[in-house]
Amino acid sequence: QLQLQESGPGLVKPSETLSLTCSVSGDSLSRGNYYWAWVRQPPGRALEWIGSFFSGGDASYYNPSLKSRLTISADKSKNQLSLRLTSVTAADTAVYYCARPLLQFTHYFDSWGHGTLVTVSS
Amino acid sequence: DILLTQSPATLSVSPGERVTLSCRASRSPISNLAWYQQKPGQAPRLLIFGASTRATGIPDRFSGSGSGTEYTLTISSLQSEDFAIYYCQQYHNWPPYTFGQGTKLDLK
Repeated sequence: QLQLQESGPGLVKPSETLSLTCSVSGDSLSRGNYYWAWVRQPPGRALEWIGSFFSGGDASYYNPSLKSRLTISADKSKNQLSLRLTSVTAADTAVYYCARPLLQFTHYFDSWGHGTLVTVSS
Repeated sequence: DILLTQSPATLSVSPGERVTLSCRASRSPISNLAWYQQKPGQAPRLLIFGASTRATGIPDRFSGSGSGTEYTLTISSLQSEDFAIYYCQQYHNWPPYTFGQGTKLDLK
């Protein structure tokens, strides 16, 4: 059974870089054609797609609103998905989820991690 | 970007009621639409994809419909476990995928 587990620092200072990892078990980032995604949710607010990594071609896709600060990649040897967001501000405070779509080549997500809360504060 | 507007923001309902939630897109067509349920402290749960196809294990009291710019999630007879926030998501025109602002169901 597919399991996703986000990890990373719970507190990041303004202007610094946020780095998160999503550990995947029960599936392989080296297999298939999935758009593995990062989604975030500020406290009390709606979901926001951050970006995706396509395992079928090793391409990354970003939300244009975050693209200049964002890098999403995969370490296939560790079966981990990574997110790196630079120059963070309080607006980046959110629960960060990794997710995988239901089927290959699709874009609706049926597998989610539990999420990790990241607070940006000095 | 395609903006999704959900209405109402909050709906006060009683168990057993029929509930209809709306999701309107800023432009059409967006046949590629999904619905999620989210309970406090939990990740979203996929309910519907392709506007009207129930995901695996989703009870048949949940149904999706719509076309063009107007989409609806209907719960035929609300159960106590259905009190949650519901989000629509479009994946017709991406990047980016976009989500609506959510509709919260609370107890009347």
